[in-house]
Amino acid sequence: DGGITQSPKYLFRKEGQNVTLSCEQNLNHDAMYWYRQDPGQGLRLIYYSQIVNDFQKGDIAEGYSVSREKKESFPLTVTSAQKNPTAFYLCASSMRDRLQGYGYTFGSGTRLTVV
Amino acid sequence: GESVGLHLPTLSVQEGDNSIINCAYSNSASDYFIWYKQESGKGPQFIIDIRSNMDKRQGQRVTVLLNKTVKHLSLQIAATQPGDSAVYFCADVAGAGSYQLTFGKGTKLSVIP
Repeated sequence: DGGITQSPKYLFRKEGQNVTLSCEQNLNHDAMYWYRQDPGQGLRLIYYSQIVNDFQKGDIAEGYSVSREKKESFPLTVTSAQKNPTAFYLCASSMRDRLQGYGYTFGSGTRLTVV
Repeated sequence: GESVGLHLPTLSVQEGDNSIINCAYSNSASDYFIWYKQESGKGPQFIIDIRSNMDKRQGQRVTVLLNKTVKHLSLQIAATQPGDSAVYFCADVAGAGSYQLTFGKGTKLSVIP
């Protein structure tokens, strides 16, 4: 079955460390996204990529970096510059075709905790 | 910037009753709307969508109503079940070539057995 796989499910980071969250999709979607979710809050867009080798900052990109070397993969690095990284991180993908309803699909999330 | 928001943060309903979750949006260019269900510790699941050229769309036990005049969206769940307990988000796409989602904060639905 097609879908999005995020790993790991839980991740612990020490102060000053960079960590990378994995996101892989086999839906043949062109666009991929990273969202951050804090308790009791909605989803805020960190970065998005419409096509391979291209990505754009979202609303809260500071302290994060991404790459899009393959269509299937969109890893997110939480750098030491992100002062409050503890959150639930969600990856999503979609088609770019509005006539087909985009097909937005979310992964199951990675919960990152700073220790 | 413009955003999608929700009227009520929490909603408690008796099992078997109908639930109505509301959403207000402010972007007049929004032309596609989605409702998601998110259970604790999981990613959002697609429930139903609607395009701006429609007023109503029905799914299995769910109906979405769109009132473009007042920029209001609602999700109706018939015969609410304990498994419906979750946080529900509405999201919109701005249209005009955009396909990024803007999410509201969510409404937590609790079903009382």
